[in-house]
Amino acid sequence: DAGVIQSPRHEVTEMGQEVTLRCKPISGHNSLFWYRQTMMRGLELLIYFNNNVPIDDSGMPEDRFSAKMPNASFSTLKIQPSEPRDSAVYFCASSGGGASGDTDTQYFGPGTRLTVL
Amino acid sequence: AQSVTQLDSQVPVFEEAPVELRCNYSSSVSVYLFWYVQYPNQGLQLLLKYLSGSTLVKGINGFEAEFNKSQTSFHLRKPSVHISDTAEYFCAVSRKSFNKFYFGSGTKLNVKP
Repeated sequence: DAGVIQSPRHEVTEMGQEVTLRCKPISGHNSLFWYRQTMMRGLELLIYFNNNVPIDDSGMPEDRFSAKMPNASFSTLKIQPSEPRDSAVYFCASSGGGASGDTDTQYFGPGTRLTVL
Repeated sequence: AQSVTQLDSQVPVFEEAPVELRCNYSSSVSVYLFWYVQYPNQGLQLLLKYLSGSTLVKGINGFEAEFNKSQTSFHLRKPSVHISDTAEYFCAVSRKSFNKFYFGSGTKLNVKP
């Protein structure tokens, strides 16, 4: 398996622009998580989905952030409009099901490093 | 609610020395426990996990951790570290049958020659 795939790996944009981050979970996994990592706040859970349905979005910082999971193999995290304080590394992780039946472990993607100028 | 405390933000150690990274958690229910490692500019990689059974868990790269229910701890150990172990280590806890993870603030292990 290719693992969790995220794109782009790096994104540089200007304040006010829309940013879309993409994630493909491990095939067969039914839970997907979006995290943000910064030096100041560490690793924060933004939102997670189970069977494509958002279960807990209490970590989403504000209305500028939105996440979707239209199907089991794809999710997006959108920031509109972006601000310099959104600069961070955004990780996607998935868990559950799959060939190994490992439902209790989260597997992380390589992350997207976002810089908002 | 669950919380995870990693008391040491940074741990410097010389190569081939033993190391222990501390993790304490608070929870009133049964939990699963995890250690992840993050190498520079990479994602988090699972090091080891405790779900049930033996309280001593062995992971990759020679690491092991011991679950201590009475002390609510899950400390990570390695008897002899290598330069390549330099990374940040995260402890995480989740409730049984729940997906949500709670991560500690991380411990940066710096192995010196």
